[in-house]
Amino acid sequence: GAGVSQSPSNKVTEKGKDVELRCDPISGHTALYWYRQSLGQGLEFLIYFQGNSAPDKSGLPSDRFSAERTGGSVSTLTIQRTQQEDSAVYLCASSSGLAGEYEQFFGPGTRLTVL
Amino acid sequence: SQKIEQNSEALNIQEGKTATLTCNYTNYSPAYLQWYRQDPGRGPVFLLLIRENEKEKRKERLKVTFDTTLKQSLFHITASQPADSATYLCALGASNFNKFYFGSGTKLNVKP
Repeated sequence: GAGVSQSPSNKVTEKGKDVELRCDPISGHTALYWYRQSLGQGLEFLIYFQGNSAPDKSGLPSDRFSAERTGGSVSTLTIQRTQQEDSAVYLCASSSGLAGEYEQFFGPGTRLTVL
Repeated sequence: SQKIEQNSEALNIQEGKTATLTCNYTNYSPAYLQWYRQDPGRGPVFLLLIRENEKEKRKERLKVTFDTTLKQSLFHITASQPADSATYLCALGASNFNKFYFGSGTKLNVKP
């Protein structure tokens, strides 16, 4: 079956521009996560959606970052006024339920480069 | 917040040997701990989950242990193969199950 998909796979932008990253989770998965992975580093938790509950946004690094999940399915991560330090791979994952108790299925990621 | 430590140095072993990777955490003990494999340019892939009331979990050539007293999990790959070469990440959930923390991973190199 279809896994988690993300688009675009690569995004090059200029400093100061806004970008939108998209995640299509596995159908029926109630939980969706966004992570950021800088070169050679581990995954940094950004935000978590679970069903219709308010998302946990405490991992977002600044107010330039926002995310939404429409209809409990597709999610968009928006970065406004991008900075060079935003350059990283942004990974999305979905799971059947609560973090930890269920395995997470990851997408291939979006590689963001801010010039 | 939770801090997770994995050996940042690559682990180099000979094919056929057992690889042992370590994951240490501070603060509270999570209800669940997971291990993932990540290949270059790819997203992590789930391998095993172990619960706090489980001491050990096995899946084929993989074994995970969970010691809540030591605040440590060990990940073993027996009869290692070059195809096992990858970065292995441990991950655990926050007490409210909202956040999920990953270690920075340990790179395993299995030489033929």
